[in-house]
Amino acid sequence: EIVLTQSPGTLSLSPGERATLSCRASQSVNSRSLAWYQQKPGQAPRLLIYGVSSRATGIPDRFSGSGSGTDFTLTISRLEPEDFAVYYCQQFGSSLWTFGQGTKVEIK
Amino acid sequence: QVQLVQSGAEVKKPGASVKVSCKTSGYTFIDYHMHWVRQAPGQGLEWMGWMQAKSGVTKYAQNFQGRVTITNAPSDTTVYMELTSLRSDDTAVYYCARDPPDGYGLFDYWGQGTLVTVSS
Repeated sequence: EIVLTQSPGTLSLSPGERATLSCRASQSVNSRSLAWYQQKPGQAPRLLIYGVSSRATGIPDRFSGSGSGTDFTLTISRLEPEDFAVYYCQQFGSSLWTFGQGTKVEIK
Repeated sequence: QVQLVQSGAEVKKPGASVKVSCKTSGYTFIDYHMHWVRQAPGQGLEWMGWMQAKSGVTKYAQNFQGRVTITNAPSDTTVYMELTSLRSDDTAVYYCARDPPDGYGLFDYWGQGTLVTVSS
């Protein structure tokens, strides 16, 4: 099973700042199989990014994904008030899926 | 529009079983894979298992092997997740999620979640 480790655990930033979230895999991940989700309190997760860097339908272009192999990054170019939430990376391989433990982006 | 509507909250005693339903609409049911994910209070997301589109083949996470069963009723466009031998640490919100057959393994639509509380 591939283990995903996200860092930092919490990111304290102000609106308008840039957020950089990291997701490191315990072994190489297929580039098609890395996704990012956003979750707000009391809500189901929402798909943001799939295939490392493709934005899901309706996701604003301030969200971008990058990386390859074992190191992946979600970048929010300028934080909007609605972006403060928890973010999870996810991967699948051999018909098994795993999630990272999450990064909370909070208002500084 | 695509909708995944889950059954209501459940309270169970340790050792009991729970079966959560996920009623889907707005798309061709048999064309999409379906997954179950859970989230314990204040914790992260944990993948439980999936059912492949068309074939109905299932696969489960190692942590749930032998305790979880995913089934479906295509005529009713509903997928089910049953978890047996419940323990207090199974208290969580359980989500169903849809996975398009495009090879990306992404979850594009989610149910609203079902809270299962296990308590004596």
